[in-house]
Amino acid sequence: NAGVMQNPRHLVRRRGQEARLRCSPMKGHSHVYWYRQLPEEGLKFMVYLQKENIIDESGMPKERFSAEFPKEGPSILRIQQVVRGDSAAYFCASSRGTARSGEKLFFGSGTQLSVL
Amino acid sequence: AQTVTQSQPEMSVQEAETVTLSCTYDTSESDYYLFWYKQPPSRQMILVIRQEAYKQQNATENRFSVNFQKAAKSFSLKISDSQLGDAAMYFCAYRSAQGGSEKLVFGKGTKLTVNP
Repeated sequence: NAGVMQNPRHLVRRRGQEARLRCSPMKGHSHVYWYRQLPEEGLKFMVYLQKENIIDESGMPKERFSAEFPKEGPSILRIQQVVRGDSAAYFCASSRGTARSGEKLFFGSGTQLSVL
Repeated sequence: AQTVTQSQPEMSVQEAETVTLSCTYDTSESDYYLFWYKQPPSRQMILVIRQEAYKQQNATENRFSVNFQKAAKSFSLKISDSQLGDAAMYFCAYRSAQGGSEKLVFGKGTKLTVNP
């Protein structure tokens, strides 16, 4: 059973371009979470999705950021018109059920986004 | 809002010795979970240990144990018989057990160096 797969591992974009980060959860997992890690910081929650639904996006910037988890295919975190401040490591995590039910979260290795 | 504080940006330990990493948190909730995650240079977040707040007994996982002091809102991690492979960033994290909240709140981390 492969772990949480994120790609690309490194992504370089110029200011104003779009960044698309992909996350394939573990097999059988229908809950996906995105976190952002700035240098010298812990991870900050961005968004929580279940298949085709956004459940909690309280950590997402209101503009330029969006996330989806379609019925088929990976979860996508999309950043439009990137700025230098978007440079960070973006982590995806997945679980079989809700965290409250005791299900463990499994993290991917992250995508390092660098904005030139 | 809940906060997690790790007051030690860096710690070092000799191989085979014991080290304790500190973590305090702030919450008004009575039911929650606490975690320690390890982030090696590969960047993947690995769950080290988990504690349910309603359990008085401290969690242990092999060489890793916690000292959970609910009244003091303290949650320290003890690593016994330290090994070179323990060198990593360690993050303390909090998650509410109340309905609708799935996000983890992380501290800023402690960088652990293990000296041979």
